[in-house]
Amino acid sequence: AQTVTQSQPEMSVQEAETVTLSCTYDTSESDYYLFWYKQPPSRQMILVIRQEAYKQQNATENRFSVNFQKAAKSFSLKISDSQLGDAAMYFCAVGGGSQGNLIFGKGTKLSVKP
Amino acid sequence: DGGITQSPKYLFRKEGQNVTLSCEQNLNHDAMYWYRQDPGQGLRLIYYSQIVNDFQKGDIAEGYSVSREKKESFPLTVTSAQKNPTAFYLCASSIGYEAFFGQGTRLTVV
Repeated sequence: AQTVTQSQPEMSVQEAETVTLSCTYDTSESDYYLFWYKQPPSRQMILVIRQEAYKQQNATENRFSVNFQKAAKSFSLKISDSQLGDAAMYFCAVGGGSQGNLIFGKGTKLSVKP
Repeated sequence: DGGITQSPKYLFRKEGQNVTLSCEQNLNHDAMYWYRQDPGQGLRLIYYSQIVNDFQKGDIAEGYSVSREKKESFPLTVTSAQKNPTAFYLCASSIGYEAFFGQGTRLTVV
């Protein structure tokens, strides 16, 4: 079984500052993938960043980067130079196994203050 | 444009009524999924299909049914047996483990 835990229901950041969202997971799969999805008020799920578990190098996408600690089963998301448009729900997810579906955490609501 | 289309965006159901949510994709993905989203619950898997004419129950399949007669289409029926159907429903397709989502359907029982 796979589980994902996001321990911060809500976070707040000042515009242009940096914020880190936490995620821990558990999986029995040896080959798996980790994702961060963003859900703005429109409720469209948007992929922010992905990390293949076999890669040691942390993934980066522009202002978004992850800190992947495989042994600790931790996968945090860092947002640099926060913008008002970053305000959204952020979901951490793990995928692996024969079903092919993702297991999601309960989300972190990020507010950005101008 | 390639993507996933869900319809309708809003749906109202009377007690005891079955309703069907539409999901169509033109991404040529084999795998499709239905998730339910409730406040504070994240996304929970209802049903999934990895190939045409085959589908499997997810974690919360009771009160729901699906079909997969075409690769492009994966409709979800919410039956009267689902006691608490008010929720936001998301359809997704995937390649590998990366999921692509539709814009969702908000179902409300009236």
